[in-house]
Amino acid sequence: DGGITQSPKYLFRKEGQNVTLSCEQNLNHDAMYWYRQDPGQGLRLIYYSQIVNDFQKGDIAEGYSVSREKKESFPLTVTSAQKNPTAFYLCASSTGFKAFFGQGTRLTVV
Amino acid sequence: AQRVTQPEKLLSVFKGAPVELKCNYSYSGSPELFWYVQYSRQRLQLLLRHISRESIKGFTADLNKGETSFHLKKPFAQEEDSAMYYCALSEPRSGYSTLTFGKGTMLLVSP
Repeated sequence: DGGITQSPKYLFRKEGQNVTLSCEQNLNHDAMYWYRQDPGQGLRLIYYSQIVNDFQKGDIAEGYSVSREKKESFPLTVTSAQKNPTAFYLCASSTGFKAFFGQGTRLTVV
Repeated sequence: AQRVTQPEKLLSVFKGAPVELKCNYSYSGSPELFWYVQYSRQRLQLLLRHISRESIKGFTADLNKGETSFHLKKPFAQEEDSAMYYCALSEPRSGYSTLTFGKGTMLLVSP
C-alpha cells in the first residue's frame, strides 16, 4: 500500500511551536498538494506544487509554509502564525486527472 | 465564492433504496468534475470522472451544464456504499490544474 506516505499519523505540539508534516511519494508524479480537512468544511487547499523548486498558495495558505526540493517530497510546516492549527492534513499527488491521497496526519495543538 | 456545493451533510437510506448525492458547481469555462469517496479507515480515492461516463460500483454521474450539476446516483444502495462522498472540480490556477472540493456528504446505508 505505497504511493503516498504521510508521517506521523498523529502529532501533538504545544501552542506557539512550528511543526513539520512529512509527505513522500514514489509514484513519480510532478504535482503534489496539501489539503486541510475539517468536519463540515470538506477539503481546503493549502499549497500545491507542480514541479521541483516551485509551489503556489492555495485558498488557506496563511500560517503555513512548504518546500519542494525533491520530486518525491513536499513537507508542510505549520507555523505559530496559524491561528487554528488543530486539524487533519491530507497530502496528495496527481498525474493527469487522477489524484492519489495519503492517509493523513492528525495534528493537535495544545 | 463557493465553487462546489454539496447541500446535504448526511444522507441516510435503507439498503436497496435509490441514492442521489447532489453536487452543484460554479465555473465559467468547461468544467471537469469528479466524485471522490472515503470509506471508513481508508484513503480518499477517485470514484468517477464525468468525462469517462462510466459506472463504478453501480454509481453514475451525469454532467448537466444547464443546471450546473453533477449528481451522483445509484439505483439500489448497498451497505458497503456507506462512506463520505466528495464532489470536486478541476480548475486552472497559475497555469496548472487543482482540485476544489465540496464539503462532502456522508452516505449511511442501513440494513
